[in-house]
Amino acid sequence: EDQVTQSPEALRLQEGESSSLNCSYTVSGLRGLFWYRQDPGKGPEFLFTLYSAGEEKEKERLKATLTKKESFLHITAPKPEDSATYLCAVTPQGGSEKLVFGKGTKLTVNP
Amino acid sequence: NAGVMQNPRHLVRRRGQEARLRCSPMKGHSHVYWYRQLPEEGLKFMVYLQKENIIDESGMPKERFSAEFPKEGPSILRIQQVVRGDSAAYFCASSPFRQGREQFFGPGTRLTVL
Repeated sequence: EDQVTQSPEALRLQEGESSSLNCSYTVSGLRGLFWYRQDPGKGPEFLFTLYSAGEEKEKERLKATLTKKESFLHITAPKPEDSATYLCAVTPQGGSEKLVFGKGTKLTVNP
Repeated sequence: NAGVMQNPRHLVRRRGQEARLRCSPMKGHSHVYWYRQLPEEGLKFMVYLQKENIIDESGMPKERFSAEFPKEGPSILRIQQVVRGDSAAYFCASSPFRQGREQFFGPGTRLTVL
């Protein structure tokens, strides 16, 4: 069964304290891995797509990387406005286009 | 340049009533997906539709739930005879006609069953 596990479940950082979020996956072939950000009461906001091991994407303070078994979302010098739940999802090969989501990491950045 | 639109944003129903949730995809997108997010749970896939076709409904409960995406108008997720366990946030997403591409989500409909 296709599965996505995110860790930690929750993370508290001080402003400027860099860290990484982990997403490990077990799928029958990976078509794509996606990172989203979700604020309370809102829909997920698309951040990155990664397709193959070794690929990296960057956007402002965020950088996503991909290996054959996991992905990392690195947050450099975070600010309070980076506080949100970060969701990882995969699209397995051979199936429909459905996304299989992890439960997310709730990030809180204190000023 | 509107994003995915969903309405209503909040819906309250009593047990046994019907709930209809609407989703208009982004302009130019022909693929629609519905997901459900239960409290303290992750997003779970329900159904994937293209215009007038259900492509994958493997995540839909076998009874009371149905979905459509007609030639004209929004996609509809319909829940008949709602029960308290149906209380959740329901999200619609859309994508363009390219395999494995990112999905863009709407703001969701929060269904409360009394």
